Amino acid sequence: EAQVTQNPRYLITVTGKKLTVTCSQNMNHEYMSWYRQDPGLGLRQIYYSMNVEVTDKGDVPEGYKVSRKEKRNFPLILESPSPNQTSLYFCASSSLGTSGGATTDTQYFGPGTRLTVL
Amino acid sequence: GQNIDQPTEMTATEGAIVQINCTYQTSGFNGLFWYQQHAGEAPTFLSYNVLDGLEEKGRFSSFLSRSKGYSYLLLKELQMKDSASYLCACLDSNYQLIWGAGTKLIIKP
Repeated sequence: EAQVTQNPRYLITVTGKKLTVTCSQNMNHEYMSWYRQDPGLGLRQIYYSMNVEVTDKGDVPEGYKVSRKEKRNFPLILESPSPNQTSLYFCASSSLGTSGGATTDTQYFGPGTRLTVL
Repeated sequence: GQNIDQPTEMTATEGAIVQINCTYQTSGFNGLFWYQQHAGEAPTFLSYNVLDGLEEKGRFSSFLSRSKGYSYLLLKELQMKDSASYLCACLDSNYQLIWGAGTKLIIKP
């Protein structure tokens, strides 16, 4: 079954304690991205990657890191989480458009990770 | 700047028809998506429009007018399970997705 998986689904942590949210897809997609979703603000892109070892900042990259060592995995790292990073996080993947960047094909989203930073 | 506007919330009655509007201002345009998102769940793809006109998929239709920077999602024969948020997103000239804040649709019996 084609899917994007994220772990953990729920996480409560404290300020400053490093954490990693994993994301994996089994569709051989080149394009992967991370979003955060906050009430009234919609989806905001944190980072995206167009292929292995290629990552770029989205709209709200501050306080986050990513890596793309393998095609299927795209972990999101919070080195020193703060309360303003409390949010619902989604990983998404898609094939790469022929003109580069996001494709005109559908984005497949993971189930989401609800993070609370105390 | 780039901007996508959608109503925050709409209410409709089961069995009726509802139209959710989306207006956009982006740096270039390479198409517009509609996604459905149930509370606490991931968004799921509904439609993609890049040419002007109406595309129909069962109970759902999506319309695009590029000259007006306008799209709408039309939902017919509303069912309770259609209660969800509907997200409008555009691909800009760099093929980056710009997302609207979403429209929460409440269906009443």
